[in-house]
Amino acid sequence: SQQGEEDPQALSIQEGENATMNCSYKTSINNLQWYRQNSGRGLVHLILIRSNEREKHSGRLRVTLDTSKKSSSLLITASRAADTASYFCATVPSGSARQLTFGSGTQLTVLP
Amino acid sequence: GAGVSQSPRYKVAKRGQDVALRCDPISGHVSLFWYQQALGQGPEFLTYFQNEAQLDKSGLPSDRFFAERPEGSVSTLKIQRTQQEDSAVYLCASSRVGASTDTQYFGPGTRLTVL
Repeated sequence: SQQGEEDPQALSIQEGENATMNCSYKTSINNLQWYRQNSGRGLVHLILIRSNEREKHSGRLRVTLDTSKKSSSLLITASRAADTASYFCATVPSGSARQLTFGSGTQLTVLP
Repeated sequence: GAGVSQSPRYKVAKRGQDVALRCDPISGHVSLFWYQQALGQGPEFLTYFQNEAQLDKSGLPSDRFFAERPEGSVSTLKIQRTQQEDSAVYLCASSRVGASTDTQYFGPGTRLTVL
């Protein structure tokens, strides 16, 4: 079963605007990762944030993590049409397990 | 170098047929994962190998699903007596050493349709 929920399920914005996606999860985690998936393609890793980190940046991406609320957000600044894709958060649990547990995803559409 | 490759990319099976899905991980990657992705959903974990050892198969939905990685590189996911509910995209991922912070690199997936 899915680890958590993503919000919103779908988001449509104009090129140049910022896009914010939220993710909630249920269990204690080692780290949280964000992935992107273009239609019909495999997933591409975007960014990883460890459980002891609160914020991380990579290019136009900014990720926050609040372990007390078991939630994370992904901000994409100055969006481009090429950012159109599905975005998934995924958690690695505390302990020895290594598999990713994915959320249900946010479908982002950036209109030119 | 080459990424993770999967074959076939598309597979249509009649209900009751057996299928075999292949994954070629990135060369030298120790860990290999299989995930199942239903339409409109996030991937769900099936099983995990470290080298040739299957360390976790808790996500396999039934005993009709079987995975192997006999030489610690290529892996095959086999589904026996396929059912319509098995229709999904099957994703393979590999990671370098199997640490919790390792990036998992995903293949393009095999889309299985069971008629």
